[in-house]
Amino acid sequence: AQSVTQPDIHITVSEGASLELRCNYSYGATPYLFWYVQSPGQGLQLLLKYFSGDTLVQGIKGFEAEFKRSQSSFNLRKPSVHWSDAAEYFCAVGALNYGGSQGNLIFGKGTKLSVKP
Amino acid sequence: DAGITQSPRYKITETGRQVTLMCHQTWSHSYMFWYRQDLGHGLRLIYYSAAADITDKGEVPDGYVVSRSKTENFPLTLESATRSQTSVYFCASSEGRNTEAFFGQGTRLTVV
Repeated sequence: AQSVTQPDIHITVSEGASLELRCNYSYGATPYLFWYVQSPGQGLQLLLKYFSGDTLVQGIKGFEAEFKRSQSSFNLRKPSVHWSDAAEYFCAVGALNYGGSQGNLIFGKGTKLSVKP
Repeated sequence: DAGITQSPRYKITETGRQVTLMCHQTWSHSYMFWYRQDLGHGLRLIYYSAAADITDKGEVPDGYVVSRSKTENFPLTLESATRSQTSVYFCASSEGRNTEAFFGQGTRLTVV
């Protein structure tokens, strides 16, 4: 079964520092990959997505992610974090072979980002 | 306004009561989903629908019922609420298979 692992439950970075959030997926074929952000009390907002092509994808709010097939990873990065980036971040995978009980997107358990002034 | 809306935003109900959470989208997306979000579990799929009158179970369907008589609506019913169903519920929609999902603001449900 497909799965998504976000190894870091909570990360704290200083404002202006760089950020990398890790995501590993388990799936045999080429997956569709997503990063979402959730601010407190809000729904999830799509940051970026990878379907095919260039393995480095740009998203909103200055975020980017790189798909590495050899490492089954899709890590999210930002060169300089702003205080407003404090939120929870979710990696998700969509399976090419639709079916089974897990539906369209499978989510990791999330990484909470705190930003120090 | 276009988008996906959930109602109510907050709900407190008693154990054993039936409660329905509403979800409405204005994009005419084919796919709709219900997830629950719990600490330590992330988001887990409850039910999904590929089109009107087509629904199927997700990862945690027990105790829930859905229907989709119209493309734009996808209500979720807890037939007899239990405390373990205390959670934040998110509705989402997507245009097709494996495209990005758009989420509602969520419903925080407390079962006492």
